[in-house]
Amino acid sequence: GESVGLHLPTLSVQEGDNSIINCAYSNSASDYFIWYKQESGKGPQFIIDIRSNMDKRQGQRVTVLLNKTVKHLSLQIAATQPGDSAVYFCAENRSGGTSYGKLTFGQGTILTVHP
Amino acid sequence: EAGVAQSPRYKIIEKRQSVAFWCNPISGHATLYWYQQILGQGPKLLIQFQNNGVVDDSQLPKDRFSAERLKGVDSTLKIQPAKLEDSAVYLCASSSGQGAGNQPQHFGDGTRLSIL
Repeated sequence: GESVGLHLPTLSVQEGDNSIINCAYSNSASDYFIWYKQESGKGPQFIIDIRSNMDKRQGQRVTVLLNKTVKHLSLQIAATQPGDSAVYFCAENRSGGTSYGKLTFGQGTILTVHP
Repeated sequence: EAGVAQSPRYKIIEKRQSVAFWCNPISGHATLYWYQQILGQGPKLLIQFQNNGVVDDSQLPKDRFSAERLKGVDSTLKIQPAKLEDSAVYLCASSSGQGAGNQPQHFGDGTRLSIL
Protein backbone atom coordinates (compact mmCIF):
# COMPACT_ATOMS: atom_id res chain seq x y z
CA GLY A 1 0.00 0.00 0.00
CA GLU A 2 0.96 3.65 -0.02
CA SER A 3 3.49 4.56 2.62
CA VAL A 4 6.04 7.12 3.58
CA GLY A 5 9.08 6.04 5.56
CA LEU A 6 12.23 7.44 7.07
CA HIS A 7 15.71 5.99 6.67
CA LEU A 8 17.00 6.99 10.12
CA PRO A 9 14.90 6.87 13.27
CA THR A 10 17.36 8.96 15.33
CA LEU A 11 19.86 11.68 14.56
CA SER A 12 22.24 13.33 17.01
CA VAL A 13 24.17 16.46 16.07
CA GLN A 14 26.22 19.16 17.74
CA GLU A 15 24.88 22.66 18.04
CA GLY A 16 25.90 24.67 15.01
CA ASP A 17 26.20 21.68 12.69
CA ASN A 18 23.92 21.16 9.72
CA SER A 19 21.32 18.38 9.98
CA ILE A 20 19.88 16.28 7.19
CA ILE A 21 16.74 14.21 7.74
CA ASN A 22 15.73 11.80 5.01
CA CYS A 23 12.41 10.36 3.91
CA ALA A 24 11.42 7.82 1.26
CA TYR A 25 7.95 7.67 -0.22
CA SER A 26 6.39 4.91 -2.25
CA ASN A 27 3.44 6.56 -4.02
CA SER A 28 4.72 7.93 -7.31
CA ALA A 29 1.41 9.80 -7.71
CA SER A 30 2.14 11.96 -4.66
CA ASP A 31 2.46 15.59 -5.66
CA TYR A 32 2.66 17.50 -2.40
CA PHE A 33 5.02 16.97 0.51
CA ILE A 34 5.25 18.56 3.94
CA TRP A 35 7.75 18.49 6.77
CA TYR A 36 6.47 18.82 10.33
CA LYS A 37 8.28 19.27 13.63
CA GLN A 38 6.69 17.80 16.73
CA GLU A 39 7.89 18.65 20.23
CA SER A 40 6.92 16.61 23.25
CA GLY A 41 3.31 17.21 24.27
CA LYS A 42 2.53 19.36 21.24
CA GLY A 43 0.95 18.88 17.87
CA PRO A 44 2.93 18.76 14.63
CA GLN A 45 4.16 22.18 13.58
CA PHE A 46 4.39 23.03 9.88
CA ILE A 47 7.96 23.69 8.75
CA ILE A 48 8.01 23.74 4.96
CA ASP A 49 6.23 22.21 1.99
CA ILE A 50 7.11 21.43 -1.60
CA ARG A 51 5.10 20.52 -4.66
CA SER A 52 6.19 17.94 -7.18
CA ASN A 53 6.89 20.54 -9.86
CA MET A 54 9.85 21.71 -7.77
CA ASP A 55 13.01 19.94 -6.63
CA LYS A 56 14.18 22.43 -4.01
CA ARG A 57 12.61 24.96 -1.71
CA GLN A 58 14.24 27.11 0.94
CA GLY A 59 12.92 28.66 4.10
CA GLN A 60 14.51 30.22 7.11
CA ARG A 61 17.44 27.88 7.98
CA VAL A 62 15.64 24.98 6.29
CA THR A 63 15.80 23.52 2.80
CA VAL A 64 13.69 20.73 1.39
CA LEU A 65 14.96 18.67 -1.53
CA LEU A 66 12.74 16.43 -3.62
CA ASN A 67 14.08 13.71 -5.90
CA LYS A 68 11.14 12.24 -7.77
CA THR A 69 13.31 9.79 -9.68
CA VAL A 70 14.15 7.84 -6.54
CA LYS A 71 11.12 9.04 -4.54
CA HIS A 72 13.23 10.65 -1.86
CA LEU A 73 12.69 13.75 0.25
CA SER A 74 15.13 15.43 2.61
CA LEU A 75 15.04 18.24 5.12
CA GLN A 76 18.22 20.20 5.72
CA ILE A 77 18.50 22.37 8.82
CA ALA A 78 21.38 24.85 8.84
CA ALA A 79 23.21 25.79 12.03
CA THR A 80 21.14 23.41 14.14
CA GLN A 81 20.15 24.76 17.55
CA PRO A 82 19.06 22.99 20.76
CA GLY A 83 15.54 24.29 20.10
CA ASP A 84 15.47 22.21 16.93
CA SER A 85 15.43 19.02 19.02
CA ALA A 86 12.15 17.27 18.23
CA VAL A 87 10.60 14.52 16.13
CA TYR A 88 10.45 15.37 12.43
CA PHE A 89 7.81 13.86 10.17
CA CYS A 90 7.51 13.94 6.44
CA ALA A 91 4.03 13.62 4.96
CA GLU A 92 2.79 13.18 1.43
CA ASN A 93 -0.44 13.81 -0.39
CA ARG A 94 -1.91 13.24 -3.78
CA SER A 95 -4.12 16.16 -4.72
CA GLY A 96 -6.58 14.38 -6.96
CA GLY A 97 -8.96 11.45 -6.78
CA THR A 98 -10.13 9.75 -3.62
CA SER A 99 -6.91 10.63 -1.76
CA TYR A 100 -7.65 14.33 -2.02
CA GLY A 101 -6.53 16.11 1.15
CA LYS A 102 -5.35 12.92 2.84
CA LEU A 103 -1.88 13.25 4.33
CA THR A 104 0.10 10.08 4.89
CA PHE A 105 2.78 10.46 7.55
CA GLY A 106 6.04 8.64 7.96
CA GLN A 107 7.21 7.15 11.25
CA GLY A 108 9.36 10.13 12.27
CA THR A 109 13.01 10.91 13.02
CA ILE A 110 14.13 11.98 16.46
CA LEU A 111 16.61 14.85 16.20
CA THR A 112 18.73 15.55 19.26
CA VAL A 113 20.97 18.61 19.29
CA HIS A 114 23.80 18.65 21.83
CA PRO A 115 25.06 22.01 23.09
CA GLU B 1 -4.00 34.40 14.17
CA ALA B 2 -5.16 31.95 16.79
CA GLY B 3 -4.26 28.34 16.17
CA VAL B 4 -6.35 25.20 16.32
CA ALA B 5 -7.86 24.80 19.78
CA GLN B 6 -8.56 21.41 21.32
CA SER B 7 -9.99 20.29 24.63
CA PRO B 8 -9.54 18.60 26.94
CA ARG B 9 -5.74 18.23 26.91
CA TYR B 10 -5.86 14.98 28.85
CA LYS B 11 -8.52 12.38 29.51
CA ILE B 12 -8.38 9.16 31.50
CA ILE B 13 -11.28 6.73 31.30
CA GLU B 14 -11.94 3.05 31.84
CA LYS B 15 -12.55 0.71 28.95
CA ARG B 16 -16.14 0.55 27.71
CA GLN B 17 -16.76 4.15 28.83
CA SER B 18 -17.43 6.93 26.37
CA VAL B 19 -15.42 10.08 25.70
CA ALA B 20 -15.70 13.16 23.52
CA PHE B 21 -13.12 15.58 22.16
CA TRP B 22 -13.71 19.09 20.90
CA CYS B 23 -11.91 21.09 18.21
CA ASN B 24 -12.13 24.71 17.09
CA PRO B 25 -10.21 25.18 13.82
CA ILE B 26 -8.40 28.27 12.62
CA SER B 27 -10.94 30.93 11.70
CA GLY B 28 -12.01 30.67 8.09
CA HIS B 29 -10.56 27.21 7.49
CA ALA B 30 -13.09 25.14 5.59
CA THR B 31 -11.35 21.79 5.95
CA LEU B 32 -11.02 20.01 9.28
CA TYR B 33 -9.29 16.73 10.06
CA TRP B 34 -9.15 14.35 12.99
CA TYR B 35 -6.04 12.20 13.41
CA GLN B 36 -5.07 9.45 15.81
CA GLN B 37 -1.42 9.35 16.86
CA ILE B 38 -0.25 6.26 18.71
CA LEU B 39 2.95 6.64 20.70
CA GLY B 40 6.01 6.37 18.46
CA GLN B 41 4.07 6.66 15.22
CA GLY B 42 3.01 9.36 12.82
CA PRO B 43 -0.55 10.68 12.87
CA LYS B 44 -3.17 8.60 11.05
CA LEU B 45 -6.19 10.29 9.47
CA LEU B 46 -9.54 9.29 10.93
CA ILE B 47 -11.93 11.67 9.20
CA GLN B 48 -11.89 14.76 7.00
CA PHE B 49 -14.63 17.40 6.78
CA GLN B 50 -15.12 20.03 4.11
CA ASN B 51 -17.37 22.62 5.78
CA ASN B 52 -20.04 20.43 7.42
CA GLY B 53 -19.75 17.50 5.02
CA VAL B 54 -17.62 14.37 5.37
CA VAL B 55 -15.01 14.01 2.61
CA ASP B 56 -13.20 10.91 3.85
CA ASP B 57 -14.02 8.65 6.80
CA SER B 58 -12.58 5.44 5.37
CA GLN B 59 -10.19 5.00 8.33
CA LEU B 60 -12.78 5.76 11.04
CA PRO B 61 -13.85 2.69 13.09
CA LYS B 62 -17.52 3.48 12.70
CA ASP B 63 -18.71 0.85 15.15
CA ARG B 64 -17.30 2.95 18.00
CA PHE B 65 -16.11 6.29 16.63
CA SER B 66 -18.29 9.15 15.43
CA ALA B 67 -17.60 12.74 14.49
CA GLU B 68 -19.65 15.73 13.52
CA ARG B 69 -19.20 19.29 12.36
CA LEU B 70 -22.78 20.46 12.30
CA LYS B 71 -22.27 24.16 11.58
CA GLY B 72 -19.09 23.82 9.58
CA VAL B 73 -16.89 25.31 12.30
CA ASP B 74 -16.34 23.39 15.57
CA SER B 75 -16.15 19.62 15.57
CA THR B 76 -16.49 16.83 18.09
CA LEU B 77 -15.07 13.33 17.96
CA LYS B 78 -16.65 10.66 20.14
CA ILE B 79 -15.61 7.16 21.13
CA GLN B 80 -18.23 4.81 22.55
CA PRO B 81 -17.36 2.32 23.94
CA ALA B 82 -13.62 2.85 24.36
CA LYS B 83 -11.15 -0.01 24.04
CA LEU B 84 -7.63 -0.29 25.41
CA GLU B 85 -6.16 0.13 21.93
CA ASP B 86 -7.78 3.57 21.65
CA SER B 87 -5.12 4.99 23.97
CA ALA B 88 -3.48 7.64 21.82
CA VAL B 89 -3.27 11.36 21.14
CA TYR B 90 -6.19 12.67 19.10
CA LEU B 91 -5.14 15.57 16.93
CA CYS B 92 -7.31 18.04 15.11
CA ALA B 93 -6.02 19.95 12.10
CA SER B 94 -7.44 22.49 9.71
CA SER B 95 -6.56 23.95 6.35
CA SER B 96 -7.95 26.57 4.02
CA GLY B 97 -9.01 25.83 0.48
CA GLN B 98 -9.65 22.38 -0.86
CA GLY B 99 -7.46 20.32 1.45
CA ALA B 100 -3.79 19.47 1.76
CA GLY B 101 -3.24 19.51 -1.96
CA ASN B 102 -3.34 23.29 -1.89
CA GLN B 103 -2.52 24.36 1.63
CA PRO B 104 -0.69 22.85 4.61
CA GLN B 105 -2.64 21.46 7.51
CA HIS B 106 -2.18 23.19 10.87
CA PHE B 107 -2.51 21.10 14.00
CA GLY B 108 -3.74 21.62 17.53
CA ASP B 109 -1.84 20.20 20.51
CA GLY B 110 -4.20 17.25 20.78
CA THR B 111 -6.00 15.35 23.50
CA ARG B 112 -4.04 12.60 25.18
CA LEU B 113 -6.43 9.72 25.94
CA SER B 114 -5.52 6.95 28.35
CA ILE B 115 -7.75 3.91 28.70
CA LEU B 116 -7.48 1.93 31.92
